[in-house]
Amino acid sequence: EAQVTQNPRYLITVTGKKLTVTCSQNMNHEYMSWYRQDPGLGLRQIYYSMNVEVTDKGDVPEGYKVSRKEKRNFPLILESPSPNQTSLYFCASSPIGEAKNIQYFGAGTRLSVL
Amino acid sequence: SQKIEQNSEALNIQEGKTATLTCNYTNYSPAYLQWYRQDPGRGPVFLLLIRENEKEKRKERLKVTFDTTLKQSLFHITASQPADSATYLCALDYWGSQGNLIFGKGTKLSVKP
Repeated sequence: EAQVTQNPRYLITVTGKKLTVTCSQNMNHEYMSWYRQDPGLGLRQIYYSMNVEVTDKGDVPEGYKVSRKEKRNFPLILESPSPNQTSLYFCASSPIGEAKNIQYFGAGTRLSVL
Repeated sequence: SQKIEQNSEALNIQEGKTATLTCNYTNYSPAYLQWYRQDPGRGPVFLLLIRENEKEKRKERLKVTFDTTLKQSLFHITASQPADSATYLCALDYWGSQGNLIFGKGTKLSVKP
């Protein structure tokens, strides 16, 4: 089954404790992206990647890191989480150049930073 | 500044009626306009897209229109059902986007029996 898989689905952590949210897609998509979604603010892009070893900042990259060492994986790293990073996070992938950049989303990761 | 707006945060309608959602954009050269459905706590799911040179697209009970002069897309759900209740997001794919989409904040549709 074609899918984008995020783990964990739920995470509660404390300020300053490094964490990684994993994202994997099995559709051989070039493009991958991370979003956060907060009430009243909609989806905001954190980072995106056009292909392996190619990453770029989105609208709200501060406090986040990403890497794209393999085509299928695009982990989101919070080196020192803070309470304002409490949010619902989505990973998405897309086949650039085909299917008109339709994005396929993961099920989401709900993060709480205490 | 560049932006995309969905005029209503929420829309309440009666079952069987047609729901019409609006999406407006400024300062983009659109290639495609996409619509997604999002259920609470879940990821958005792609529904339909329409190209800049298309006026209308249909899929079952869904219809999308695209007016590049007005810089507006309308999303219609005919014969609405309670199961259609969800948040609907429009997303603009513009020339030079490198795959990035610009999402609206969404309209929460509630269909009452």
